[in-house]
Amino acid sequence: DIQMTQSPSTLSASVGDRVSVTCRASQSISSWLAWYQQKPGKAPKLLIYKASSLESGVPSRFSGSGSGTEFTLTISSLQPDDFATYYCQQYNSYWTFGQGTKVEIK
Amino acid sequence: QITLKESGPTLVKPTQTLTLTCTFSGFSLSTSGVGVGWIRQPPGKALEWLALIYWDDNNRYSPSLQSRLTITKDTSKNQVVLTMTNMDPVDTATYYCAHQAAALYFDYWGQGTLVTVSS
Repeated sequence: DIQMTQSPSTLSASVGDRVSVTCRASQSISSWLAWYQQKPGKAPKLLIYKASSLESGVPSRFSGSGSGTEFTLTISSLQPDDFATYYCQQYNSYWTFGQGTKVEIK
Repeated sequence: QITLKESGPTLVKPTQTLTLTCTFSGFSLSTSGVGVGWIRQPPGKALEWLALIYWDDNNRYSPSLQSRLTITKDTSKNQVVLTMTNMDPVDTATYYCAHQAAALYFDYWGQGTLVTVSS
């Protein structure tokens, strides 16, 4: 099984901040990684696929990078609507999610 | 416009079998490359992939839960059904179904249905 580890678990930030979330895979997954945003009581929303491809309709302040075992989700200028929990997911071998990173208001 | 919606019991007793139905629109599960998966999320915890069925009837199961899961599809009704046997309180979670694009990531999700396991 491929394990996905996100850091940090919680991130406190202010509107306008540049924030980054890291996701590490237990083995190489090439670029087969997606990022999702989830708000309380709602289903996850796809933000990024294939590590760096922005899903249609997602603001350009979101970006993804990395390959192999280390990946990063970056929000260039945090907006009020961005306070949420973010999950990475590998789809190289079956599907595994990270444990989530909660982005909260500082 | 792709939409999915989960339905099923909100409360099941320990040892019972859970049956959930995902009813979808906006795509066909007979189209090459399309899949529908099930993912769950215990309260306050992370997402966990459970099972997936492809347009060609091939399926995949989480290795840790494979013995308890069955996924089937009814293409004519635009439905996917997940059954999970021997339910336990630790299976209490919101269960989501999701559309999978080209055997890759999940791009459209249902709203989820909360299933509580309790006697």
